[in-house]
Amino acid sequence: SQQGEEDPQALSIQEGENATMNCSYKTSINNLQWYRQNSGRGLVHLILIRSNEREKHSGRLRVTLDTSKKSSSLLITASRAADTASYFCATDIGAAGNKLTFGGGTRVLVKP
Amino acid sequence: GAGVSQSPSNKVTEKGKDVELRCDPISGHTALYWYRQSLGQGLEFLIYFQGNSAPDKSGLPSDRFSAERTGGSVSTLTIQRTQQEDSAVYLCASSPGGGLAGEQETQYFGPGTRLLVL
Repeated sequence: SQQGEEDPQALSIQEGENATMNCSYKTSINNLQWYRQNSGRGLVHLILIRSNEREKHSGRLRVTLDTSKKSSSLLITASRAADTASYFCATDIGAAGNKLTFGGGTRVLVKP
Repeated sequence: GAGVSQSPSNKVTEKGKDVELRCDPISGHTALYWYRQSLGQGLEFLIYFQGNSAPDKSGLPSDRFSAERTGGSVSTLTIQRTQQEDSAVYLCASSPGGGLAGEQETQYFGPGTRLLVL
């Protein structure tokens, strides 16, 4: 089974609204990353949050991490049509190496 | 320099044939990863190369899958005797590497190769 699972699986919002998606994982992590994927192609790294951090911001993105609940959230504020994509959380799964374990993703549709 | 590149972009093959997928990582990146993404799903880790160390093959789904990395740069993922369930997008990523054990580094992904096995 996957380490990370996103919720919801799909999200449809109007341009200008905020989009929130959540990620839960099962084992202890060192860090968690969020990626965006357009049109089923390559992923683009959005933000990395370390296990000793609780919140991080990057532009219109806000990520939180709650290690006691083994969960993270990604908030996109003031969404734009260009934010339409699939969003994945990814966690490291080993003490050595940087293999990522991805969740199933949240498909976000921002309607103009 | 340029980002991660993969070739071919798309590959259609017949069941039972062998295919080779190529990945050119970002110059200087010592870590290289292969992932597989089935339609509408998340990414599944396949194999990881770090410098001259033995690769981590723990994610390869069967012995029909193999990968090599020549000269610490270009990597080739080979699927022998392809099956219809091998149809997926195969994504390659690289990262600078050399981080402390347990430290996670941003991975830079290529555009992927979309494989269709008929």
